[in-house]
Amino acid sequence: SYELTQPPSVSVSPGQTASITCSGEKLGDKYVGWYQQKPGQSPVLVIYRDSKRPSGIPERFSGSNSGNTATLTISGTQAMDEADYYCQAWDSSTAVFGTGTTVTVL
Amino acid sequence: QVQLQESGPGLVKPSQTLSLTCTVSGGSITAETYYWNWIRQPAGKGLEWIGRIYTSGITNYNPSLKSRVSIFLDTSKNQFSLRLSSVTAADTAVYYCARERDLGSGSPTDYWGQGILVTVSS
Repeated sequence: SYELTQPPSVSVSPGQTASITCSGEKLGDKYVGWYQQKPGQSPVLVIYRDSKRPSGIPERFSGSNSGNTATLTISGTQAMDEADYYCQAWDSSTAVFGTGTTVTVL
Repeated sequence: QVQLQESGPGLVKPSQTLSLTCTVSGGSITAETYYWNWIRQPAGKGLEWIGRIYTSGITNYNPSLKSRVSIFLDTSKNQFSLRLSSVTAADTAVYYCARERDLGSGSPTDYWGQGILVTVSS
């Protein structure tokens, strides 16, 4: 079965840039979405189709996808961005979520 | 504004069938082309996709759960439902329903319910 691997944790200082990677075989051939989940809350879509932002998502969230790795970048990270982040892709009509990354804003 | 709300028993006995319903408000589940998804999350763990149903009724299921899962629409009530049979403690999780807007490849799952905790225990 298809697998997506993320680093368990990423730490970033306020105002700095956080980069979260998502790795999978030939991931660049698929579209990737990213979800933010804060404790006790439902996931929120922050990026879809690799780099598109839904309405209401701040411009500091951006995404890219090439080769075997997709990346979610948070520029000018704010304390409110502290959360778990999950990548997601489709493989043969099956949705696959990444292992998840906890972003800590120190 | 579309809203989704999960409902169903919070406690299910082992070997029994888990049944959940997602009520959609703020729009018809058949008005446009959407996928209606079920996703779950065990406590302290990651997200697991269970399956989805298209507006037309076509379904896709996670291969790891396919033999135990069914998802169906109730258009008269603007709801869609999940049934998971032969449950074990490993099926204990928060279950989310979610809407996926059909744009072809890479469609966004843009609306989620608040989630419902289902515990499998005797």
